[in-house]
Amino acid sequence: QVQLQQSGPGLVKPSQTLSLTCAISGDSVSSNSAAWNWIRQSPSRGLEWLGRTYYRSKWYNDYAVSVKSRITINPDTAKNQFSLQLNSVTPEDTAVYYCARGWGLNPWGQGTLVTVSS
Amino acid sequence: EIVLTQSPGTLSLSPGERATLSCRASQSVSGSHLAWYQQNPGQAPRLLIYDASSRATGIPDRFSGSGSGTDFTLTISRLEPEDSAVYYCEQYGGSPTFGQGTKVEIK
Repeated sequence: QVQLQQSGPGLVKPSQTLSLTCAISGDSVSSNSAAWNWIRQSPSRGLEWLGRTYYRSKWYNDYAVSVKSRITINPDTAKNQFSLQLNSVTPEDTAVYYCARGWGLNPWGQGTLVTVSS
Repeated sequence: EIVLTQSPGTLSLSPGERATLSCRASQSVSGSHLAWYQQNPGQAPRLLIYDASSRATGIPDRFSGSGSGTDFTLTISRLEPEDSAVYYCEQYGGSPTFGQGTKVEIK
């Protein structure tokens, strides 16, 4: 049974970098059949897919156009986890952030409320 | 970007009734790569249906999905009180996008 456990700060200052980590149990970040996603949810924007990383003989990343200039998703094979970095945040980046596995997202992490405020 | 429009916004039905939720895409969804999720307050979404009509593991058979191209439907055949939630569709044929959700209320 795959489980995802998120960690990271809940408060980030404007213009700084949002950083979250998603630890995987029951699967491998290097799996040739999985993808590892970040999604966020806010009242104003609803559910918004941010990007993913996956391994198919080499590492690939796909990012949403809306955040492409500011986002990095990295796998960490040593710790079997993956991370999200979102640069130059503004209050509009305030949301609940989720990690999730696959296409047809299952399972999801528990969610992290990240507030961007000084 | 594929825009998904869900209807109705809210559905209010009694236990045992049938619920029909619609998800319409602005362009054809490649490979019928469309999923449905259920979300309860304060919780992460839960996958119900993937590839338009395949039930995820552990999902009761009263949940079914259908459709192709631009029109997709989630049907809950006999509503139970615990089905009260917000339901979202998501397409992952291209860069993933979500619908705005349908709230199902049980009278």
